[in-house]
Parts: sequence; C-alpha cells; structure tokens
Amino acid sequence: GAVVSQHPSRVICKSGTSVKIECRSLDFQATTMFWYRQFPKQSLMLMATSNEGSKATYEQGVEKDKFLINHASLTLSTLTVTSAHPEDSSFYICSAKGQGFSYEQYFGPGTRLTVT
Amino acid sequence: AQKVTQAQTEISVVEKEDVTLDCVYETRDTTYYLFWYKQPPSGELVFLIRRNSFDEQNEISGRYSWNFQKSTSSFNFTITASQVVDSAVYFCALTAPYNQGGKLIFGQGTELSVKP
Repeated sequence: GAVVSQHPSRVICKSGTSVKIECRSLDFQATTMFWYRQFPKQSLMLMATSNEGSKATYEQGVEKDKFLINHASLTLSTLTVTSAHPEDSSFYICSAKGQGFSYEQYFGPGTRLTVT
Repeated sequence: AQKVTQAQTEISVVEKEDVTLDCVYETRDTTYYLFWYKQPPSGELVFLIRRNSFDEQNEISGRYSWNFQKSTSSFNFTITASQVVDSAVYFCALTAPYNQGGKLIFGQGTELSVKP
C-alpha cells in the first residue's frame, strides 16, 4: 500500500520558537495533503487541506499565519508552527491523497509536539 | 453538513467477550464512503475497512465484522472474542469525495479496553 512518512516523530521546542513538520508520500504522487491535529483523548480535527502548487485551505478557527502550510511538490508538504505556545502541544497527523479522483487517504505516523 | 457520532466514549470488556462499537453518520451526499480506523497507543492510524454508500453488504474479516444500514445511517463494528491486543481507540469516519475535496470527518472515537 501507499506509504506516508512524517518527520520528526517527536519534537520538543521552547515557547516562542517555530517548528517544522514534514509529510512525505514515499511511493506515490500526492496532489492533496491534509493536516490534522489531535489533542489527548480527543478526535482528529482537520486543520487544513493543501493542494500542490496552491495555497492551503484552512478550516474555520485555524490561524493560517500561525500554522504555515507549504505543498511545494507532489511528494512533500510541510507544516510550520510559528511562535509556538504550550497550547500548541498536540499530535499532528498528515494524510495524502493521490492524483485524480480518489477517496483513499493514506496517513502518516504522526508527530508529537511538546512546547515547553 | 456532515457529522459522525460515536456515542460510546469508553468501553471495557473482558477478554473473549464480543463487543460492538456504534457509529451513526449524517450526510446529504448520495455518494459517500465510511471508514473505521484503529489507533493504538503508538498513535498511528490503522485502516480497518472502507464502505461506499452503494454497498450495504455486511462484511466479515476474521474476528471483525461490520454492519452497514443506510436506513438508520449506521455503520457498526463488532469484534468477536475480543483480545487484549484489540485495546485501542477506534474511529469511524466519513468522506464525500465529490464534496469539499474529500476531507474526512471523524467521530469522537471509542476507547476500547480489553482486560485479561
């Protein structure tokens, strides 16, 4: 099956710094990538949808200036959490969808962010 | 609007018991897909099953079975003879590929604890 990787798997950063999370589709071209956030004991909440070569579409309530998403190639999307605060500590998961019409999303293993 | 409801927040059973996880969904789309995912403590989502809106056949895979009923907008998941390794959070999800870019809407999740 299709494989999606995320890097790093865990990251600890200090309050006020920025951190970048990478999401890569390893064996297919992903025209669309999704970024989800999951707080402890909660469900996955979609943050944004990114299409290769265009600006990301953010869900209501998600600050686009704080969560910068770049989808510069068909195999890589990045999420940058700028000026991180402790409340940004969460589990971030990406998923990728292939070219053409497809209902399939392939999930990455997730990145656990802790802001101290 | 699309919505997925998993009314059971936590379920605890003893090994070898059968357990059913409920999922009720809402959508106005006629073409949609339903999913079940397992999320063990490691955090990585494990795909279990996908069903499209035109296929109401029930499915069995080993100890797992799924009951899809459009009349009640439900897609329930049963584990037969549960095992400790089944302990995880289980998510039901919905996507309508022709609508909103195919993003997944997740239920709140059901945390299953199987005790020896």
